[in-house]
Amino acid sequence: QQPVQSPQAVILREGEDAVINCSSSKALYSVHWYRQKHGEAPVFLMILLKGGEQKGHDKISASFNEKKQQSSLYLTASQLSYSGTYFCGTEGIPNDYKLSFGAGTTVTVRA
Amino acid sequence: GAVVSQHPSWVICKSGTSVKIECRSLDFQATTMFWYRQFPKQSLMLMATSNEGSKATYEQGVEKDKFLINHASLTLSTLTVTSAHPEDSSFYICSARFGGANYGYTFGSGTRLTVV
Repeated sequence: QQPVQSPQAVILREGEDAVINCSSSKALYSVHWYRQKHGEAPVFLMILLKGGEQKGHDKISASFNEKKQQSSLYLTASQLSYSGTYFCGTEGIPNDYKLSFGAGTTVTVRA
Repeated sequence: GAVVSQHPSWVICKSGTSVKIECRSLDFQATTMFWYRQFPKQSLMLMATSNEGSKATYEQGVEKDKFLINHASLTLSTLTVTSAHPEDSSFYICSARFGGANYGYTFGSGTRLTVV
């Protein structure tokens, strides 16, 4: 079952922040975040595992609320290069090692 | 880092013909590869799981006789779209996992299939 992502789209100016949410109706083993540029394949950003962890790289970070079966991706001080469509992918429990992707959030960062 | 090479990047074929798409893991062995289809402005939908040395498993609603998957070696998986029709036009992407369950997936660059 696909996770639910919100918002569908967000427009930012350089330097602004944004939050993308991903929620699942079932218990999760992991949450993945990917970014896809137009016409290209998705690129792995990070994985959050059972246990409610938080992690980040540069100014993109994410959290995983295990009990609520939710994850959020935080874009801080956005840059033009952050533009793209962000997908969360979830693996359920028991883990069948199959990713179910959300519908995606299109992020547009303008100068 | 782990790289998955996918070819061709794009293909245009006539209706009724077959098209083969290849995915190779370049610097690691992929016992399992996943094949996705993505329509414009939509999410990635898992079509099938390809397992080296055994039959692929298909997701519900995916015709296994139409989308033939072969995983002949630890580094190569192929998807053949047989008797392609315009409604099969889509972006096909493969992915594999480098490492265990605590790692993310690496995607191929994708193949844009257009059936005319």
